[in-house]
Amino acid sequence: AQRVTQPEKLLSVFKGAPVELKCNYSYSGSPELFWYVQYSRQRLQLLLRHISRESIKGFTADLNKGETSFHLKKPFAQEEDSAMYYCALTPTSGTYKYIFGTGTRLKVLA
Amino acid sequence: ETGVTQSPTHLIKTRGQQVTLRCSSQSGHNTVSWYQQALGQGPQFIFQYYREEENGRGNFPPRFSGLQFPNYSSELNVNALELDDSALYLCASSFDRWDNEQFFGPGTRLTVL
Repeated sequence: AQRVTQPEKLLSVFKGAPVELKCNYSYSGSPELFWYVQYSRQRLQLLLRHISRESIKGFTADLNKGETSFHLKKPFAQEEDSAMYYCALTPTSGTYKYIFGTGTRLKVLA
Repeated sequence: ETGVTQSPTHLIKTRGQQVTLRCSSQSGHNTVSWYQQALGQGPQFIFQYYREEENGRGNFPPRFSGLQFPNYSSELNVNALELDDSALYLCASSFDRWDNEQFFGPGTRLTVL
């Protein structure tokens, strides 16, 4: 079954602490992986994608094909990072689809 | 350059009715995707349209249908509404069907009574 799993519904960390949002996927091909973010009262927006290998707002994510994971990390959390984070995948061939995880709410405490 | 817009913002229907939701894509974007987001869940892919043709579909029954128009607007139609259709409906546009960076609209909240 094709699936994206985000095991934590809520993650609370203190400002300045490291953050890791977990994402595991199940897909029988080579997907493209993404992290989307939704800040309070804003629309869903792309944070980063694995093919670009960028660091956006201090966040990075490494695709581990062996563990089928794409965890999102940031070494020092900021209060403005508080948001809903969704991991998603799309196939790189065949029928188009987009599969989102259920999301993790990150709360960064002062 | 304007972003993705959706109308209406909220909608209340009764079971068995039909509904049409509208989306205006970002200018120049040939591709639009529609998603259903139930409370506490991630967006679920309904389908994608590229240059007015369906380009991919998720696990949704045929009573969910769509249209895309040359002026960057699109519609999601749902027939024979069921209570479980109550959700936030999102559209997202992208420049090309192989450009997977999607730009989302604010959504339409549909309540089915």
